[in-house]
Amino acid sequence: GQSLEQPSEVTAVEGAIVQINCTYQTSGFYGLSWYQQHDGGAPTFLSYNALDGLEETGRFSSFLSRSDSYGYLLLQELQMKDSASYFCAPPSGGNTPLVFGKGTRLSVIA
Amino acid sequence: NAGVMQNPRHLVRRRGQEARLRCSPMKGHSHVYWYRQLPEEGLKFMVYLQKENIIDESGMPKERFSAEFPKEGPSILRIQQVVRGDSAAYFCASSKDSGTDYGYTFGSGTRLTVV
Repeated sequence: GQSLEQPSEVTAVEGAIVQINCTYQTSGFYGLSWYQQHDGGAPTFLSYNALDGLEETGRFSSFLSRSDSYGYLLLQELQMKDSASYFCAPPSGGNTPLVFGKGTRLSVIA
Repeated sequence: NAGVMQNPRHLVRRRGQEARLRCSPMKGHSHVYWYRQLPEEGLKFMVYLQKENIIDESGMPKERFSAEFPKEGPSILRIQQVVRGDSAAYFCASSKDSGTDYGYTFGSGTRLTVV
């Protein structure tokens, strides 16, 4: 089985830093993915952590701690266009499709 | 290099009709996944297919829903005798392999409205 926990909503100010946490339980473990989805749009792949530690891609970073079954997405220098829903997805097997939670809705305010 | 193509973008059906949603994966991708999303909800997995094979259909309702990915042509998600509760956005995603990096590419979705 699999369970995911993310905050449902986060609000942050333009230019600030925000961290979106994800805790999970899966029967197996193959890493942690993050996706972004704007209202009315398609989900887009942001990052994948296969190993513990921090992965940085521009203003976005993703962290994983396998021993704690925990990860987070860090968004720096927030821009209005970052307002979107963010989903973490831990695959539980090599041939198992991604299962998404309800996601975190980020609102960036001026 | 076109991305994942879904059509139609919007589909309106009366209760009891059939809905047929199409998905062409990215070039070079042989794995296709269908997800359903209700307003303000997350993405709910429905079915995972490879060419001519259903790999995992654990998220598909047992009745009225079917999916295929033929040797030639797009993947099709078929919903028979639609009901109001089927109204949702249906997203298709594809990947190159079973997902060692789990980078799915999603299509723009089909918004199904049942009236």
